[in-house]
Amino acid sequence: SQTIHQWPATLVQPVGSPLSLECTVEGTSNPNLYWYRQAAGRGLQLLFYSVGIGQISSEVPQNLSASRPQDRQFILSSKKLLLSDSGFYLCACSDGTNTDTQYFGPGTRLTVL
Amino acid sequence: AQKVTQAQTEISVVEKEDVTLDCVYETRDTTYYLFWYKQPPSGELVFLIRRNSFDEQNEISGRYSWNFQKSTSSFNFTITASQVVDSAVYFCALSLPSGAGSYQLTFGKGTKLSVIP
Repeated sequence: SQTIHQWPATLVQPVGSPLSLECTVEGTSNPNLYWYRQAAGRGLQLLFYSVGIGQISSEVPQNLSASRPQDRQFILSSKKLLLSDSGFYLCACSDGTNTDTQYFGPGTRLTVL
Repeated sequence: AQKVTQAQTEISVVEKEDVTLDCVYETRDTTYYLFWYKQPPSGELVFLIRRNSFDEQNEISGRYSWNFQKSTSSFNFTITASQVVDSAVYFCALSLPSGAGSYQLTFGKGTKLSVIP
């Protein structure tokens, strides 16, 4: 079974600073990878997904970007953070057998001040 | 467009009581998958169950059971003899293909369950 790692676990950043969140996956090959954001008291919003290296699909236009430099590595970035970027960021991957099922990592809690 | 509704925002029960979390979904697709996830205070989303649209059999796993009814577009989740460790936010989700072998999950807003000792 797959294991998803995310770091950092928590992050406090000033407005206007850059961001880089990393997600790595073990135990599966060629997974579909996803980034979600959960704002305080709200549901989960899909930000990006990737079906392969270098292939990124964006669901919501914003000042965030994603990259997939390796098969099991997914990175979420921003050049300049906004207050509204605060939230809980979750990385997910699909199982190689059931691509409809997503398993989630432990998340990164981002606070922008 | 697809939608998942969890009408119960918060529920409180006393330990050992049974509790049912409601989930209603909307989709025009005939092939889809339904999920329940648990989010404890630590934040990680824990996968509980997957159901495909062609399998309406109810499922039981220990104290957990799920009732899938296509006629009412519902996928309800019951916890029997609730325990304090069941306290969490529970999300119902609908999965549909989004092209190129990928699936998109649409989540409900979640139900916060508090089990009081």
